Amino acid sequence: DIQMTQSPSSVSASVGDRVTITCRASQGISSWLAWYQQKPGKGPKLLIYAAFSLQSGVPSRFSGSGSGTDFSLTISSLQPEDFATYYCQQVNSFPYTFGQGTKLEIK
Amino acid sequence: QVQLVQSGAEVKKPGASVKVSCKASGYTFTSYDINWVRQATGQGLEWMGWMNPNSGNTGYAQKFQGRVTISRNTSISTAYMELSSLRSEDTAVYYCARGLTDYGGNSVGFDIWGQGTMVTVSS
Repeated sequence: DIQMTQSPSSVSASVGDRVTITCRASQGISSWLAWYQQKPGKGPKLLIYAAFSLQSGVPSRFSGSGSGTDFSLTISSLQPEDFATYYCQQVNSFPYTFGQGTKLEIK
Repeated sequence: QVQLVQSGAEVKKPGASVKVSCKASGYTFTSYDINWVRQATGQGLEWMGWMNPNSGNTGYAQKFQGRVTISRNTSISTAYMELSSLRSEDTAVYYCARGLTDYGGNSVGFDIWGQGTMVTVSS
């Protein structure tokens, strides 16, 4: 199975800050990577697919980059509604594994 | 609108089975894969398996092989996930999620999620 490792596990930031979360795959996955946002008590929401493609309706302050084994999700200017947990997922091969999550908290 | 609506919470005893349903609306059910993902309280997301509703083809994570069955009823646009031989570690929220594909038919992520079904396994 492909292991997905996110860092950091948690991060504190303020409204307006720029934040970057990274995700590393245990083997190359080309650009087959998705990012999700999850808020307490809710299902995940797709933000980015194919490493850098913005899902319809997602604000442009979210961006994704990377290929192969190293990927990142950047939020350019944090808004109050962005404080949540973020997950990466590889969709290169079964099983479709997720990272352990990064909790983004208000400083 | 496009949505997946899941069945309600379940409480089961160890060793029992549970079957969770996921009804699709607002799109052609047979045109998109359905995946099942679970999440224990305070934990991360765990992919369990996949189904192509058109062909009925399925694939499961090795961890759940032999215990999980994903099926569908196309006449009512509903997918099902059945998990057997339940143990306390199976206590979790179970989600169905629609697979988004690119123009080549490759999965690129899960774009629509059900509201989740809480399954509690307790004696």
